[in-house]
Amino acid sequence: ETGVTQTPRHLVMGMTNKKSLKCEQHLGHNAMYWYKQSAKKPLELMFVYNFKEQTENNSVPSRFSPECPNSSHLFLHLHTLQPEDSALYLCASSQTTSGGLYEQYFGPGTRLTVT
Amino acid sequence: AQTVTQSQPEMSVQEAETVTLSCTYDTSENNYYLFWYKQPPSRQMILVIRQEAYKQQNATENRFSVNFQKAAKSFSLKISDSQLGDTAMYFCAFIKAAGNKLTFGGGTRVLVKP
Repeated sequence: ETGVTQTPRHLVMGMTNKKSLKCEQHLGHNAMYWYKQSAKKPLELMFVYNFKEQTENNSVPSRFSPECPNSSHLFLHLHTLQPEDSALYLCASSQTTSGGLYEQYFGPGTRLTVT
Repeated sequence: AQTVTQSQPEMSVQEAETVTLSCTYDTSENNYYLFWYKQPPSRQMILVIRQEAYKQQNATENRFSVNFQKAAKSFSLKISDSQLGDTAMYFCAFIKAAGNKLTFGGGTRVLVKP
């Protein structure tokens, strides 16, 4: 266990559904991240939050909406997704976003299938 | 933009043997960090080893060591005395020293055979 938890672990949703992914870190970190891991593609950074403020949006479609109510929790709200959005969504946290000075700790991921 | 390339999709190694994974990257930055992450099957990704670009000495963590060649933009990982628990996907990653964006390579699947 890395101190980062994600729920649910598996999610199947239709293209018209709305669902949310949740991430919680128990490490006292101030930065949190969402990554997308698709088959046969490198991990892609989606969003970065530092002290609850979004500092990076890596050109992610608006059907993905992040929310960071506090430094311990991060959500990814999903609506009207496409089948190509099926992937493993990973959450990570670090002390802050100071480059490589601080290690990123990853959660187990949510396996999302869009039907 | 930075890119990270791992040219070996899969590698297998006998238990107790040594395996070396390759990673090359492209950047115009002078200060940055490089990482190797391990993702075991159905388990969380964890950091294996980190290298700071301004340090010439290669990083070592127990059975894991790197060969960092800054001029060649190469960052290989050597796993010595391979164990069954080393079976996993291994990802090379890059981040600028003052950046907040980790860029990953495509990964290398390592299978350790008994």
